[in-house]
Amino acid sequence: RKEVEQDPGPFNVPEGATVAFNCTYSNSASQSFFWYRQDCRKEPKLLMSVYSSGNEDGRFTAQLNRASQYISLLIRDSKLSDSATYLCVVNPHSASKIIFGSGTRLSIRP
Amino acid sequence: DTGVSQNPRHKITKRGQNVTFRCDPISEHNRLYWYRQTLGQGPEFLTYFQNEAQLEKSRLLSDRFSAERPKGSFSTLEIQRTEQGDSAMYLCASSLDDRFLSSGNTIYFGEGSWLTVV
Repeated sequence: RKEVEQDPGPFNVPEGATVAFNCTYSNSASQSFFWYRQDCRKEPKLLMSVYSSGNEDGRFTAQLNRASQYISLLIRDSKLSDSATYLCVVNPHSASKIIFGSGTRLSIRP
Repeated sequence: DTGVSQNPRHKITKRGQNVTFRCDPISEHNRLYWYRQTLGQGPEFLTYFQNEAQLEKSRLLSDRFSAERPKGSFSTLEIQRTEQGDSAMYLCASSLDDRFLSSGNTIYFGEGSWLTVV
């Protein structure tokens, strides 16, 4: 089983739609969680951290469910510019490397 | 520019040649990571340093790969006797140390070094 698993997609949704991605992780002791965004042939960039209580940043909402070991990302009122690959990122514990999922591709159509 | 810097950005080499990539992290970051990414996959961890100490090395990293961070600042990743399967984007990232590696503090990537082995 992979340490971090994501649905690869692609998700193809119309502009203005709401779309959600889930990501599961295997290490129950994992401490910190992030969503990164990666555009084609570019480096990953931090989209948002994921806090235990859930957090929101504009149109983006991240949730953490420790009991079920998954994190989610919700994008509301999607824009064409949201088209990208979204990477789920887990830090198993503070003294280790960060582990990336394979990414979920999102394509927003006009 | 105070971000993570990598060079060369692109390298085309013949199979069997050696290549070296350099990474300059964000200046106050004492952790430095190397990842490899191929098309359709997320970044795969290769190795990381805390200052000049190499703390972990992935099983993905064969003996043809070596990374150094001699003075705890910049790092180099060398691939010897390159193979076509080494073609990928090599990403360097840096962060503050583990006391800060929690929600809100994470790693920051350079733009990557693209390797094509022909």
